[in-house]
Order: sequence, then structure tokens, then C-alpha cells
Amino acid sequence: QKEVEQNSGPLSVPEGAIASLNCTYSDRGSQSFFWYRQYSGKSPELIMSIYSNGDKEDGRFTAQLNKASQYVSLLIRDSQPSDSATYLCAVNARGYSSASKIIFGSGTRLSIRP
Amino acid sequence: DAGVIQSPRHEVTEMGQEVTLRCKPISGHNSLFWYRQTMMRGLELLIYFNNNVPIDDSGMPEDRFSAKMPNASFSTLKIQPSEPRDSAVYFCASTPGDPGQFFGPGTRLTVL
Repeated sequence: QKEVEQNSGPLSVPEGAIASLNCTYSDRGSQSFFWYRQYSGKSPELIMSIYSNGDKEDGRFTAQLNKASQYVSLLIRDSQPSDSATYLCAVNARGYSSASKIIFGSGTRLSIRP
Repeated sequence: DAGVIQSPRHEVTEMGQEVTLRCKPISGHNSLFWYRQTMMRGLELLIYFNNNVPIDDSGMPEDRFSAKMPNASFSTLKIQPSEPRDSAVYFCASTPGDPGQFFGPGTRLTVL
């Protein structure tokens, strides 16, 4: 079993709709969770971090965490063509320590169709 | 403020040659990470340093790969000898302590 799993997609969503991206992780002791966006040919860019159960909103983005289910998701409201990218879920098993190892999922490719 | 700097941005070499990739982390960041990304394997952590000390190198594929961080502002990843299967994009990332990482632009390595 992979440590961090994502559906590879592609996930196709019409412009203006809500895109929902999901991720599961295997280490129950994980404490920090991140979503990165990666455009084709570019480097990953951190867009959301979440540390406690529940929802965290930032503009059109909402991260949701459920530690009991070992599940983290990213919702993108009012999807725009510029949101078309690969979204990487990342998990840090040791919380806030800087000497921590972050494991990335394989990414979900999101395509927003006009 | 400059982000993570990597050089070279592109490298084409022949099998058997030595390759050295360079990284300058963001000033003040005390952790540095080297990743490799391919279509088949995704983003793989190779090694990471905390305060210039290697913490976990379990992702380094084999002895042909080595990494150093002689000071807080510079790190190298060396492949010797290089092989075609090493072709990938190599990313360096740094963090100030909050685990969220800032990635450099990457080095696209092609080994012929």
C-alpha cells in the first residue's frame, strides 16, 4: 500500500463548477497535510496546509481533513481554466519539526473545460 | 526575495559521465530536500538535510548518488557514473521549519 494515495485522473470539471480532489494516507500518526499545485513543466507550489480536523478555507480553495478516516481533500470553487494542473497531496508524519519527512502522492491531473 | 535557486536548469550528458546538480536554498531555511520526478514514479524524496546534516537518505537509489550540504546556503547532488535511467527532473526544496516546502525550478537531466 502506498503511503499517500490519489486518483491519477484526469478529472474533468466544467468551468464555474466545484472540483473535488481526494487523498488518503496510511500513517495514522501523520499530523501535517499539504496540497501542492504543479503546472506542466513547472515546479510544485504550496497552495494549502491543514493540521487539524475540519475545514480550512483560503479564497476559492477549501482543504478538509478527517484524521479518523485518514482522508484529506481539496475543494476548488468556481473552477477556472487556470486551475488546470496536477494537484499533489503531501503528508508529514512528524508534525511541526523541521527535521520531518514529507511524502507526496502521485498527483491528480485536473482539467477545467470552458 | 529570491526563491530556491538551482543550476543548471538543463543538463544533457552521456552515460558514464559525472553529473553535479546545485542548489541554493532560501536564506534562513534550515531544511533542504532533494527530489526526483518522473512520469512513471512521480515525485520521490531522495535525501533531506536539517541544519546541514543529512537526516534521511533512504531514498537515494544507489551508491552512484551522493549529496552534500557544506553550508547553509549550498547543496549538491552528484551522480557518478550517470545512466540513462537517471533521466528525470531533479528538484531542490527548502523550508524554514513549517513543513510546507518551497521548490526550486528544477534541473531537467537527460542521460544519453
